[in-house]
Amino acid sequence: EVHLVESGGGLVKPGGSLRLSCAASGFTFTSYSMNWVRQAPGKGLEWVSSISGSGTYIYYADSVKGRFTISRDNAKNSLDLQMNSLRAEDTAVYYCARAPVAGMSNFDYWGQGTLVTVSS
Amino acid sequence: EIVLTQSPGTLSLSPGERATLSCRASQSVSSSYLAWYQQKPGQAPRLLIYGASSRASGIPDRFSGSGSGTDFTLTISRLEPEDFAVYYCQQYGTSPNTFGQGAKLEIK
Repeated sequence: EVHLVESGGGLVKPGGSLRLSCAASGFTFTSYSMNWVRQAPGKGLEWVSSISGSGTYIYYADSVKGRFTISRDNAKNSLDLQMNSLRAEDTAVYYCARAPVAGMSNFDYWGQGTLVTVSS
Repeated sequence: EIVLTQSPGTLSLSPGERATLSCRASQSVSSSYLAWYQQKPGQAPRLLIYGASSRASGIPDRFSGSGSGTDFTLTISRLEPEDFAVYYCQQYGTSPNTFGQGAKLEIK
């Protein structure tokens, strides 16, 4: 059974940094692109970033480009999101999500999310 | 980027009724790369439909998707109590992939 478990969320001041992690199990991790999708409180879904199975191809939403860095450790079946220069508008639940196909894809499995709050 | 507009914003129906949710794209969605998700309060989204009309694994056949180009529809043939939730469409044919604003299906 596929399991995705996020961790690392919390309260951070504007301009601060935070690193999120997602532990994956139940599937061959290297075979799948992985993504971060966020949801601001009471709002809709926003794709944040994706990384291919090998880690070669990386993409970001314009809203986080230059501030966030996605990475993966295939030996540990883990996905990370390093978030720097955080802003109030980055406040959201961050989900890691698996993409069943390479390239542009829907997301077939999601973690339960971790809440990031950016506030002074 | 492609903007997806869902309608209605809120749909009030009773169990046993048929629900029809619409998703309209600002430009044509490439290869019908359109997905639907269900989200209940405090839970992660769940994939229902991909490729506009293919049901994801384990999704009951009362859920169906249709459409192409710029107009897509999610239909729930007979509502069960557990179907009342928020539904999102997503296009993944053109970068960046984008989601609709969501449509709430509530019990009348």
